[in-house]
Amino acid sequence: DGGITQSPKYLFRKEGQNVTLSCEQNLNHDAMYWYRQDPGQGLRLIYYSQIVNDFQKGDIAEGYSVSREKKESFPLTVTSAQKNPTAFYLCASSVRDRDNTEAFFGQGTRLTVV
Amino acid sequence: GEDVEQSLFLSVREGDSSVINCTYTDSSSTYLYWYKQEPGAGLQLLTYIFSNMDMKQDQRLTVLLNKKDKHLSLRIADTQTGDSAIYFCAESRGNQGGKLIFGQGTELSVKP
Repeated sequence: DGGITQSPKYLFRKEGQNVTLSCEQNLNHDAMYWYRQDPGQGLRLIYYSQIVNDFQKGDIAEGYSVSREKKESFPLTVTSAQKNPTAFYLCASSVRDRDNTEAFFGQGTRLTVV
Repeated sequence: GEDVEQSLFLSVREGDSSVINCTYTDSSSTYLYWYKQEPGAGLQLLTYIFSNMDMKQDQRLTVLLNKKDKHLSLRIADTQTGDSAIYFCAESRGNQGGKLIFGQGTELSVKP
């Protein structure tokens, strides 16, 4: 089935360690996005990529990094510079740069830093 | 600046109608969306409305848009316990399909 897959579902890391969250899609979408969700704050855009080998910062990019070496994959690294990394992370994809395009979301990764 | 506001909680009885409200600030938004999130899961698109429309109906869902007041609402008719979830209002940023500005989410609780 076509869809967007995030792994793992739950992730625990010690403070000061970098951690990489996986996002893979087989929808043939050009655009991919990472959002962070905190209770009572909705979703905020971290990074997005409109095409392979290109990506742009979103509203809260500090402390995060991404790569887009393949169309299907858009991994997010949470670095030790991110002050409050514990959150629910959602990856999404859509047809590139068009209005009224549904953004398909993965099931999310809950990251807990202890 | 860009901002989308929603009330955080709504509680209704099964069979009643639910109305979830949202206000937004960016008048250049071309599409406005309603997403549903069940516990521990991703977001599912419920419906959307183009900014030059006033109303859109899709089965039990009715979306009303007041562009002058920048107010969007989602009405769910005959609300069921399975409708219990968090509902997010979102506006598009220009012509960027997946670049969305989300409200805080309204947690809908449906009591039998």
